[in-house]
Amino acid sequence: LAKTTQPISMDSYEGQEVNITCSHNNIATNDYITWYQQFPSQGPRFIIQGYKTKVTNEVASLFIPADRKSSTLSLPRVSLSDTAVYYCLVAQTGTASKLTFGTGTRLQVTL
Amino acid sequence: DAGVTQSPTHLIKTRGQQVTLRCSPISGHKSVSWYQQVLGQGPQFIFQYYEKEERGRGNFPDRFSARQFPNYSSELNVNALLLGDSALYLCASSLSGLSTDTQYFGPGTRLTVL
Repeated sequence: LAKTTQPISMDSYEGQEVNITCSHNNIATNDYITWYQQFPSQGPRFIIQGYKTKVTNEVASLFIPADRKSSTLSLPRVSLSDTAVYYCLVAQTGTASKLTFGTGTRLQVTL
Repeated sequence: DAGVTQSPTHLIKTRGQQVTLRCSPISGHKSVSWYQQVLGQGPQFIFQYYEKEERGRGNFPDRFSARQFPNYSSELNVNALLLGDSALYLCASSLSGLSTDTQYFGPGTRLTVL
């Protein structure tokens, strides 16, 4: 399973765009990239998932370059309520769900 | 629709005791997974069940066991509790139990072992 590396923490001001990059150098052909968000004392919440190029939903965008060795989660115009830990995960398709979480990126948004 | 529910929300036990945690998945979901989250770390996979059968097991001792019932709810049992078992225990459900399925997590059970 591909190991992921992401910054331990990031700070942002409200209204700014935040980009969190995750490195997954050993990603395999069948692996998908998934991001989860977690608030204190709550379970993680699915944000977005992708395989290549760009995926966008109502809350975020996920950019994956051609070599797929990294991915960037983009949060447009963050608010205070986006303060949370963000996890990048790599999962192999067709296998039983066994999410491997790293330590995540702690995003702190301030006024 | 109700999300994943877990009970109890908090639990205090002493070393050597046994504990049972319960999880009800989202209606229609047939897979339940259990995770342990120690303070300051990401969740660690313990078990996955699909259609009442164990599909995956993480690197946890045999003191940890689980089962899934015909209604797809699940229980996690931990025997001979150690101080290091203090953690937030998370349950997640998904439709088919595949790795690319969206996992829906419950609020967790906070276990404190004294």
